[in-house]
Amino acid sequence: TAGITQAPTSQILAAGRSMTLRCTQDMRHNAMYWYRQDLGLGLRLIHYSNTAGTTGKGEVPDGYSVSRANTDDFPLTLASAVPSQTSVYFCASSDEGQANEQFFGPGTRLTVL
Amino acid sequence: GQNIDQPTEMTATEGAIVQINCTYQTSGFNGLFWYQQHAGEAPTFLSYNVLDGLEEKGRFSSFLSRSKGYSYLLLKELQMKDSASYLCAVMDSNYQLIWGAGTKLIIKP
Repeated sequence: TAGITQAPTSQILAAGRSMTLRCTQDMRHNAMYWYRQDLGLGLRLIHYSNTAGTTGKGEVPDGYSVSRANTDDFPLTLASAVPSQTSVYFCASSDEGQANEQFFGPGTRLTVL
Repeated sequence: GQNIDQPTEMTATEGAIVQINCTYQTSGFNGLFWYQQHAGEAPTFLSYNVLDGLEEKGRFSSFLSRSKGYSYLLLKELQMKDSASYLCAVMDSNYQLIWGAGTKLIIKP
């Protein structure tokens, strides 16, 4: 079983360019999340979606957008990348909303120069 | 503000026992999670506590005291593969997870 997949694995991006990080899950989980993880800091929630068709802002949403057209996919878009968006990005999903364990994808390592 | 505190790094010996502490101050409480994260990999779920007390799962146990805003993860019979970061996370009143920065555990032979 695949669980959650993310693409690309890593990317170097020039500042000002746009990019979409892809996330797909095959567990039919309702809730999905995007986090960034930076050295010395905890995971920080960027955006979340409790169910297909709805999205919400997390702790650090500025500069990012998401969509949830269906249950399986939850892409994260950087419209105009800046160096402070250099980070490791994790997508996660959970069943029946928030009070259950979250399953994480393998992550995307993004460097913005 | 919301805050999760845990030690940055700990060292322990193979075969021994180690306790990783976590204290929290959050707006509301809907449970506390522990995750394990090996270097370069994704976090994986270890435990969930929502009531006070000890939850045991094999070599790993997790304790919660809601009145003290305190939890610990206890790892017994340490193995080299337990070298990893251990992340404490609290679910707040909005059902969002607030994450600590993680404790890097180094196991020495």
